[in-house]
Amino acid sequence: EVQLVESGGGLVQPGGSLRLSCAASGFTFSDYAMSWVRQAPGKGLEWVSSSSGSGGSTYYADSVKGRFTISRDSSKNTLYLQMNSLRVEDTAVYYCAKQESVYARFDGFDIWGQGTMVTVSS
Amino acid sequence: QSVVTQPPSASGTPGQRVTISCSGSSSNIGTNYVYWYQQLPGTAPKLLIYRNNQRPAGVPDRFSGSKSGTSASLAIRGLRSEDETDYYCAAWDDSLSVWVFGGGTKLTVL
Repeated sequence: EVQLVESGGGLVQPGGSLRLSCAASGFTFSDYAMSWVRQAPGKGLEWVSSSSGSGGSTYYADSVKGRFTISRDSSKNTLYLQMNSLRVEDTAVYYCAKQESVYARFDGFDIWGQGTMVTVSS
Repeated sequence: QSVVTQPPSASGTPGQRVTISCSGSSSNIGTNYVYWYQQLPGTAPKLLIYRNNQRPAGVPDRFSGSKSGTSASLAIRGLRSEDETDYYCAAWDDSLSVWVFGGGTKLTVL
């Protein structure tokens, strides 16, 4: 069974840092692109970042570019999101999502994790 | 406002057919696949339609997707009370090099 389990969320002060993890199982991790999508309380879905299967191609939303870094470790079947210089507006549930193919572009998200909550507040 | 536009709400009565639209541009919907997601309250989104009109295993054939030009639609026939929830469309945007989601449509079953 394909499964994604996020962890690492929590409460952090503005300007702080947090690293999210997404443990993947049930599929060959390096064969698929992976992404992070977030949802602020009461709001819609917002794409954050994507990584190709190899990790060689990465993409970011303008709202997080320069502050967030996506990475992956195929030896651990784990996707990461390093979040620096956090802002109040980064408060959201962060979902990890598997994509349909090795390419981060074009082929969408077919499996989603349960999400992890990040709250940025003083 | 979203690059891809959905109506914020839609409604129908049980048994009825309803459609939810998703309007974009030549750089996203006009060129790339459209995906539809269903999100029940307090849960993660679930893939409903992929590559414009394909249904994953387990999704009832009451749900269907279509695309024409720079717009796409999700149709639900034989509306049921459990269909009352939020729906999102998504596509890759070639010009911006980002994934774009519609703002979401809240479907109410009257």
